[in-house]
Amino acid sequence: GEDVEQSLFLSVREGDSSVINCTYTDSSSTYLYWYKQEPGAGLQLLTYIFSNMDMKQDQRLTVLLNKKDKHLSLRIADTQTGDSAIYFCAEAPGGWAGSYQLTFGKGTKLSVIP
Amino acid sequence: DVKVTQSSRYLVKRTGEKVFLECVQDMDHENMFWYRQDPGLGLRLIYFSYDVKMKEKGDIPEGYSVSREKKERFSLILESASTNQTSMYLCASNSETGYTSSYNSPLHFGNGTRLTVT
Repeated sequence: GEDVEQSLFLSVREGDSSVINCTYTDSSSTYLYWYKQEPGAGLQLLTYIFSNMDMKQDQRLTVLLNKKDKHLSLRIADTQTGDSAIYFCAEAPGGWAGSYQLTFGKGTKLSVIP
Repeated sequence: DVKVTQSSRYLVKRTGEKVFLECVQDMDHENMFWYRQDPGLGLRLIYFSYDVKMKEKGDIPEGYSVSREKKERFSLILESASTNQTSMYLCASNSETGYTSSYNSPLHFGNGTRLTVT
């Protein structure tokens, strides 16, 4: 079946950039998402990108998609202590059934050192 | 803003008890989902519903059932709780965009219910 892989941990210093990487196997992936989970909370949608895009920027967040290599990354500029959380990559095919076929990675725990 | 509300943040139940986890969304979403989240295993889909009274099994439905009597409410039921059902349970919803649409609206999650079965 489909698989989404992420490294489990990332540690950065406050003010540096963070880059969280994700690889996926499903070549029919149409939507790729980044979710953030703060301690004790549910998942919050950060951003998403369609497979026909290479890049999406939203304030401090930059998403890069390499469809050929099935590689997705999330860059957080000027990382702050409030960015400490678990970040989940997820992918889904297009079409009406896409919601039911969402596949999540296991999450990357980002620790920001003051 | 979409709001998905799970009625309990923490629950402690005994083995063999019947447990109800409730979820309500306020955005008239057609689709609702129940996931469980465990360390090292990520999120796994238990059940989902695409309409009132409609339900479909996800990846790990064993030991669970669901109920959707109203569009805004989706309940997860543990008929006889067991210790291996100790977990964080997350409810989510999104809108149905139709059979011909290629648009897939993102899932919106509740804050989760941490269930401990002793």
